[in-house]
Amino acid sequence: GENVEQHPSTLSVQEGDSAVIKCTYSDSASNYFPWYKQELGKRPQLIIDIRSNVGEKKDQRIAVTLNKTAKHFSLHITETQPEDSAVYFCPHWLTGGGNKLTFGTGTQLKVEL
Amino acid sequence: EAGVVQSPRYKIIEKKQPVAFWCNPISGHNTLYWYRQNLGQGPELLIRYENEEAVDDSQLPKDRFSAERLKGVDSTLKIQPAELGDSAVYLCASSSPHSGANVLTFGAGSRLTVL
Repeated sequence: GENVEQHPSTLSVQEGDSAVIKCTYSDSASNYFPWYKQELGKRPQLIIDIRSNVGEKKDQRIAVTLNKTAKHFSLHITETQPEDSAVYFCPHWLTGGGNKLTFGTGTQLKVEL
Repeated sequence: EAGVVQSPRYKIIEKKQPVAFWCNPISGHNTLYWYRQNLGQGPELLIRYENEEAVDDSQLPKDRFSAERLKGVDSTLKIQPAELGDSAVYLCASSSPHSGANVLTFGAGSRLTVL
């Protein structure tokens, strides 16, 4: 079943604004938290990931934060640009069950001019 | 590096016909995945290979779907016979313990339309 809940399902922001997408997980043994971006008609691509021993990770305009106590992690995109428009996924990495990424329905981000 | 290569990119067939998709993973990647992505949904895992062994095929509809990775390198996914509901994008991905076992690199996908 679904072990990660992602919100919101759609997000529309003005160019230059920030966007935040949040994922909540239930498995306390989870130790790897990736974010994939899929542009329309393209393949999913890993954009940033974080492991459970780190609270925050940044890469230019994107960052991921992890709150292990609350069991949620968030993707932050600052100074959004039209090319940030895409579907973002926070797939669940199944621990103890082999190498397996389980995807939900994602968040459709639209950056408006 | 060529990345994960898939073919064909597009395929249109009539229902009840067979279809096959091919995937060549990144060189040295021992883990290979086949995912199916329906419109507006996230990718759904069909089967995972570790080298030539299918270690997780619990989501593969075995009555009509089959897959193989005979030499532990490239892989083929087959559907026979195809049904209307099989229309989707079939994504292949690979990973390696050296680059991060949980970091998947996807191919461009094969878009199947069943009429």
